[in-house]
Amino acid sequence: DLQLTQSPSTLSASVGDTVSITCRASQDVSKWLAWYQQKPGKAPNLLIFEASVLLTGVPLRFSGSGFGTEFTLTISSLQPDDFATYYCQQYTDYPATFGQGTKVEIK
Amino acid sequence: EVQLVESGGGLVQPGGSLRLSCEASGFMFSAFWMNWVRQAPGKGLEWVANINEDGSDKKYVDSVKGRFTISRDNAERSVFLEMNSLRIEDTAVYYCVKTLRGSQLGVDYWGQGTLVTVSS
Repeated sequence: DLQLTQSPSTLSASVGDTVSITCRASQDVSKWLAWYQQKPGKAPNLLIFEASVLLTGVPLRFSGSGFGTEFTLTISSLQPDDFATYYCQQYTDYPATFGQGTKVEIK
Repeated sequence: EVQLVESGGGLVQPGGSLRLSCEASGFMFSAFWMNWVRQAPGKGLEWVANINEDGSDKKYVDSVKGRFTISRDNAERSVFLEMNSLRIEDTAVYYCVKTLRGSQLGVDYWGQGTLVTVSS
């Protein structure tokens, strides 16, 4: 199965910081990568698909980049509502796989 | 507004069975692949199964092949997951998930989830 490795696993930051999360794929996934935000006890919410396309309604401080095997989610000017766990997912091949998650904590 | 409402979770003994249901609204249900994704307590996300628009094509993660069956009823705007021979490691919140337009595995909207606990 295609493996996705996120780094870091935990990230401590302050409101107003700019943070980046990396997702590396074990094989080429082209642009078929998504990013989700999950808060405790809630379902994940899609933020970005096709590596860099922001879902309508998602704040512009979220951005995605990358192609092939290396991808980045960047959150500019971190807001209190952004403290959550973030997952990447590849959807180019079966089975769809997710990264292990990155928890963004308040410093 | 897209809504996905799961039901059918609960406590079951190892070897037992459960049938999960998901009722969809707010979009043209019959035009989209539908997926089930699960999350074990305190763990990450795992794709489980999906089904195409008319129910003729179904795919599963290896760990559930032969035990789980996905199906759908477009008239009822519902998707189902029949789970047999349940194991302790199947304990998870199960999410019903809608796909992006034109995609089989790229997903956008998620239900609230239903908890399945396999324990003696």
